[in-house]
Amino acid sequence: KAGVTQTPRYLIKTRGQQVTLSCSPISGHRSVSWYQQTPGQGLQFLFEYFSETQRNKGNFPGRFSGRQFSNSRSEMNVSTLELGDSALYLCASSLEGLHLPTDTQYFGPGTRLTVL
Amino acid sequence: AQSVTQLDSHVSVSEGTPVLLRCNYSSSYSPSLFWYVQHPNKGLQLLLKYTSAATLVKGINGFEAEFKKSETSFHLTKPSAHMSDAAEYFCVVSDQSNYQLIWGAGTKLIIKP
Repeated sequence: KAGVTQTPRYLIKTRGQQVTLSCSPISGHRSVSWYQQTPGQGLQFLFEYFSETQRNKGNFPGRFSGRQFSNSRSEMNVSTLELGDSALYLCASSLEGLHLPTDTQYFGPGTRLTVL
Repeated sequence: AQSVTQLDSHVSVSEGTPVLLRCNYSSSYSPSLFWYVQHPNKGLQLLLKYTSAATLVKGINGFEAEFKKSETSFHLTKPSAHMSDAAEYFCVVSDQSNYQLIWGAGTKLIIKP
């Protein structure tokens, strides 16, 4: 089975712009979660989508949004970029998602976003 | 609320010697606990998970962890370090109150030749 894929791998944007990141989960997985990873804050949960519905959301401003399509692929959008949004954005897929504590999350390689 | 503390930000060992990465957790529920590894410029990979079955959990690449409820610990060990083990390791607890994963700050494992 192919793993979780994320595109693009690297992105450079300027302040005020918006960006869309894409995540393709493992075939058959219905849950996609997004995380932001920075050296200072570590890994922080953004949101989880399950069967096209946002099921859970972390403590991020409304500039961060996402969606999931019927084939379980997910996109994450950040509007009005700020310097502090520079980070590695990781997505993870799983069969049943975070509501099942024992479910294993499989991570993609991430998208490195740099905001200038 | 659940929380997880990785007691060392960096651990340095010589190749062939044992590895110990320490993790303490706080949980109101019977927790699910995980260890993930992240190699440079790569995504996160699950090493092992504890889900209230056996307290000694074996994972990939020779790693194992022991769940100790009385000590609220879930330390990761490996008998003999290999150069390829150099990476960052994350201890994670599943927060069943809000269905999120709570991540430790990470421990960078350095292997000396």
